[in-house]
Amino acid sequence: DAGVIQSPRHEVTEMGQEVTLRCKPISGHDYLFWYRQTMMRGLELLIYFNNNVPIDDSGMPEDRFSAKMPNASFSTLKIQPSEPRDSAVYFCASSLGTSRGQYFGPGTRLLVL
Amino acid sequence: GQQVMQIPQYQHVQEGEDFTTYCNSSTTLSNIQWYKQRPGGHPVFLIQLVKSGEVKKQKRLTFQFGEAKKNSSLHITATQTTDVGTYFCAGYSSASKIIFGSGTRLSIRP
Repeated sequence: DAGVIQSPRHEVTEMGQEVTLRCKPISGHDYLFWYRQTMMRGLELLIYFNNNVPIDDSGMPEDRFSAKMPNASFSTLKIQPSEPRDSAVYFCASSLGTSRGQYFGPGTRLLVL
Repeated sequence: GQQVMQIPQYQHVQEGEDFTTYCNSSTTLSNIQWYKQRPGGHPVFLIQLVKSGEVKKQKRLTFQFGEAKKNSSLHITATQTTDVGTYFCAGYSSASKIIFGSGTRLSIRP
């Protein structure tokens, strides 16, 4: 079975540009998570969905960040406009309930110049 | 707000030595999970603990959940070079909050 799929794997963009990160969770999983990882701040939960509904978005840094899950097999994380401090690795993860582990995708390495 | 503190931040050991990392939550957790992330990789789920005082083992790894369900530990016996990576705990609260610890980076001298 395919794991969590993320695209793109690498993204380099200029400050002010819009960035869209994509995630396809494992089929059948009902939870989807977006994380950001940096050396300074570690692994931060940005938002998570249950059955396509956002449950907790308290980790979303500011209004420049938005996330959607239009269906059970696709989610996006959008940054508009992007800033250099947004440079990080963004992970998507999915799970079946909260009593089982999360399966992480390979991540998107974002560099904002 | 809820916090999950993890110590130590770094640990450098000689191959064959033991290793332990600790997680402490400011609030009672419903469960706690442990993950391992290899350098340049993504976090990989290791195990989940749910019950107060629970102890689980995976080969050389021993996981414990405190009686008050506010702390947890991961102990590796006789480390090997394949154990290199960063170990994270993730605490789940009854309020549907999930917080990852800051991680413990383990490096090993062969």
